[in-house]
Amino acid sequence: SQQGEEDPQALSIQEGENATMNCSYKTSINNLQWYRQNSGRGLVHLILIRSNEREKHSGRLRVTLDTSKKSSSLLITASRAADTASYFCATDAFGANSKLTFGKGITLSVRP
Amino acid sequence: DAMVIQNPRYQVTQFGKPVTLSCSQTLNHNVMYWYQQKSSQAPKLLFHYYDKDFNNEADTPDNFQSRRPNTSFCFLDIRSPGLGDAAMYLCATSRERGSYNEQFFGPGTRLTVL
Repeated sequence: SQQGEEDPQALSIQEGENATMNCSYKTSINNLQWYRQNSGRGLVHLILIRSNEREKHSGRLRVTLDTSKKSSSLLITASRAADTASYFCATDAFGANSKLTFGKGITLSVRP
Repeated sequence: DAMVIQNPRYQVTQFGKPVTLSCSQTLNHNVMYWYQQKSSQAPKLLFHYYDKDFNNEADTPDNFQSRRPNTSFCFLDIRSPGLGDAAMYLCATSRERGSYNEQFFGPGTRLTVL
């Protein structure tokens, strides 16, 4: 069953604005990862946050995780046209054979 | 640069005609994955190899098979493609199986079934 559910499904902002994307999931996780996918391409790993972490930063990216609410958010600050892409959250459940379960993704459009 | 390579990028096949998609990696990772992604949907894991150990997902149709002849290469075989198998097929690798391992994706092969 699909684990991550992102919202909104689509987001359109002006260059320079911040973009906030949310992900909710259903069961306990070991970690949560965010990936970016440019149109017609493969996915690129952005950031991983462990279940015992609450916030993590990487450049213009800020990820938060609230395990009590089973939710995560990805913030992209000072967005650029090149940030236009689909963004997926993926959850990693406990276990040595754990696999990533992806959500449907959020389409972000950054207008120049 | 170390990377995951998929060939071809675009593949057209006929209904029922077997097709093979290939993936290679220069990362020397132990795990290789195959995902199916249909338009505006989440990537769906079909199976993965941990070294030579094949792990099929319970809901992967029998029509989909995979081979991993060595560490670097992994193939996806679709024995009798149907119209519903038209999708983007993504290959990914990770250094190890288990948690805290990010996955590295190839650019994908877009399969069209006529």
